[in-house]
Amino acid sequence: QLQLQESGPGLVKPSETLSLTCTVSGGSISSSFYYWGWIRQPPGKGLEWIAHIYYSGSTDYNPSLKSRVTMSLDTSTNQFSLNLGSVTAADTAIYYCARLQYNWHYDYWGQGILVTVSS
Amino acid sequence: QSALTQPRSVSGSPGQSVTISCTGTSSDVGDYNYVSWYQQHPGKAPKLMIFDVNKWPSGVPDRFSGSKSGNTASLTISGLQAEDEADYYCCSYAGSYNDVVFGGGTKLTVL
Repeated sequence: QLQLQESGPGLVKPSETLSLTCTVSGGSISSSFYYWGWIRQPPGKGLEWIAHIYYSGSTDYNPSLKSRVTMSLDTSTNQFSLNLGSVTAADTAIYYCARLQYNWHYDYWGQGILVTVSS
Repeated sequence: QSALTQPRSVSGSPGQSVTISCTGTSSDVGDYNYVSWYQQHPGKAPKLMIFDVNKWPSGVPDRFSGSKSGNTASLTISGLQAEDEADYYCCSYAGSYNDVVFGGGTKLTVL
C-alpha cells in the first residue's frame, strides 16, 4: 500500500522560505506512470494546486506561485520536496503531498502538515 | 487560471439524492475528460471518489456517480447516508502548461 508522509517545520517566519519533504513508501517515485505533487489548503478554505514533478525532474507550477516555488525529487531516498520563498501570512495552510496519475487525478494523499507563517 | 465554480453548500435527507455542480471553461472542464472529485471529512486528507469524469476507484460505492455536459461537471450521490456529510471538491486538468485547477468546494449536509 502506497503511503506518503509530509515533514518539515510547522512555523516559518515571514519573508523566509518554506521547505517541505514528502517521503514515499510502498512504491517508487521513479515510475514513469505518475507525477508527484503538492496541494495546499488554507484554514477553513478550499484546495489549491501548487506544483507537480515527473520522475524525470520536469516540473509544472501554479502560475500564481511560479515565481516563488521550486520542486525537486531524490530517487535515492524516494522523496520529493517543495520550496516556497518569500512567504507571507497568506501562505499559512495545510500542505498535502499526493501522487498524481497520468490521467490527472490524485489517488494517494499524505495526511497533511500545517505550516503557519508568523514572526 | 481561475478556480472551478461549485455551490458553497447542498443538503439532503438520508436516502435522497443530491447533485453538486462544477463549472469551468472550455479550457479545462469543457476540453478534457479529466475531471475528478474528492471527499474531505473534517481534519482528514481528501479522498478520491471519481476520476475521468465518471469512473470509480476501487472501494468507492456506486452511489457516487459523475457526469459532464459542456463546461459543467456534476457529482451525484444517491441513497444519501450520514457518513456522506463532508466537503466535496472537483478538479480538472487545464492543459496549457499541465495545470491543474480545483473547485472552491461544496459542503454537503445530511439532514
